Amino acid sequence: DAKTTQPNSMESNEEEPVHLPCNHSTISGTDYIHWYRQLPSQGPEYVIHGLTSNVNNRMASLAIAEDRKSSTLILHRATLRDAAVYYCILRDLSGNTGKLIFGQGTTLQVKP
Amino acid sequence: NAGVMQNPRHLVRRRGQEARLRCSPMKGHSHVYWYRQLPEEGLKFMVYLQKENIIDESGMPKERFSAEFPKEGPSILRIQQVVRGDSAAYFCASSPAPPSSNTEAFFGQGTRLTVV
Repeated sequence: DAKTTQPNSMESNEEEPVHLPCNHSTISGTDYIHWYRQLPSQGPEYVIHGLTSNVNNRMASLAIAEDRKSSTLILHRATLRDAAVYYCILRDLSGNTGKLIFGQGTTLQVKP
Repeated sequence: NAGVMQNPRHLVRRRGQEARLRCSPMKGHSHVYWYRQLPEEGLKFMVYLQKENIIDESGMPKERFSAEFPKEGPSILRIQQVVRGDSAAYFCASSPAPPSSNTEAFFGQGTRLTVV
């Protein structure tokens, strides 16, 4: 079962920043926080991941709370192409499989 | 470097037929994961394979479903005697070895199976 909690949906205006929250109160010390997104009719796409420190890449930023019980994915300037379902995942290494356990995610709508 | 390749992209089968879905992982990746996404639902883990070995099949239905990842060639997800409830999008992902929290998985575009 998914170990993260996200809002079902969020809306944003184009060109504005978007902050997508995720709660993971049962996170263990070795769990990395991963974010994926799924555009309509496509496969999931890796966005970003981190352990403790905030992370930046060309797609987004990841802000991780000091106690690691929550994190926020930040899209600095939303575009219409960012409309997707965003999944926050703690990568599961139980049994040494590394499988990703997806929750329901947050459906992001971007308004022009 | 080609990404994860899945084929066919769309597959239509009549009830009772067999469906074979193929997945070629990224070059250098020897770990493959299969997921199923029913209409309007999230992705559900099915099976995790390494070359010639099934490591975790905890998400596979007990009957009619099987998976393999031979030494040569793509990974195959096989569904025998398909039923309408098997209609879904099936996604494959690959990771470099060994799997760890600090590596990302790369997904294919999926195979959309429709059972008529």
